[in-house]
Amino acid sequence: RKEVEQDPGPFNVPEGATVAFNCTYSNSASQSFFWYRQDCRKEPKLLMSVYSSGNEDGRFTAQLNRASQYISLLIRDSKLSDSATYLCVVSNAGNNRKLIWGLGTSLAVNP
Amino acid sequence: GAGVSQSPSNKVTEKGKDVELRCDPISGHTALYWYRQSLGQGLEFLIYFQGNSAPDKSGLPSDRFSAERTGGSVSTLTIQRTQQEDSAVYLCASSLDSSGGNEQFFGPGTRLTVL
Repeated sequence: RKEVEQDPGPFNVPEGATVAFNCTYSNSASQSFFWYRQDCRKEPKLLMSVYSSGNEDGRFTAQLNRASQYISLLIRDSKLSDSATYLCVVSNAGNNRKLIWGLGTSLAVNP
Repeated sequence: GAGVSQSPSNKVTEKGKDVELRCDPISGHTALYWYRQSLGQGLEFLIYFQGNSAPDKSGLPSDRFSAERTGGSVSTLTIQRTQQEDSAVYLCASSLDSSGGNEQFFGPGTRLTVL
C-alpha cells in the first residue's frame, strides 16, 4: 500500500460545480497534512494546511479524519482557473522533516 | 521578496556527462529540499538540508547523485555520468526550518534531458 494514495482522476466538471477529492494515508502517527496545487509544467504551491478541526478558505474546505486516515478537499462553485493537479501531502511520522507526496488528482473545469 | 530560484531552467546533456544544478533558497530559510518529478509522475524526495548538513539522503537514487549546501544558502545537486532515466524536472524547495509543519516554497525547477 502506498503511503499516500489519491484518485488520479481526471475529474472533468462544469463551471460552478462542487467537486471533492479524497486522500488516504497509511501511517496513523502522521502529524501534518497539506493540500498543494500544481499547474501544468509549474512548481507545486501550497493551497492550504489541513487541521484536525477542519478548515475553510473561501471556496475551499479541507477535512481530516484521523480515525479513517483520510483527508478531503472540497471545492465549491468551481472556476476555470481551478483546473490543476491537487497534491495531498502528509508529514512522515517520527520524522517531520520529510513530506510524503501523493501522485495528485487532476481536475479540469470546463466552460 | 525573492522566491526560490533555480538554474539552469533547462539542461540538455549527453549520456555519460556530469551536470550540476543550482538552487538559491529564500533568504532566511534554513531547510532546503531537492525533489525529482518525471513526466506525469509524483514528486520523488531526493535529499534535504538543515543548514549545511544533510540529515536525510535516503532518496538519492544512486551514488551518481550528490548534493551540497554551503553557507546555509545555495545548494548544488550534481549528477555524474548521467543516464537517460535521469531525465526529469528537478525541483528545489525551501522552508523556514525542517519542522514538517512548515510550508515548502518551490523554485521553478530545472528540466533535465539526457540524450
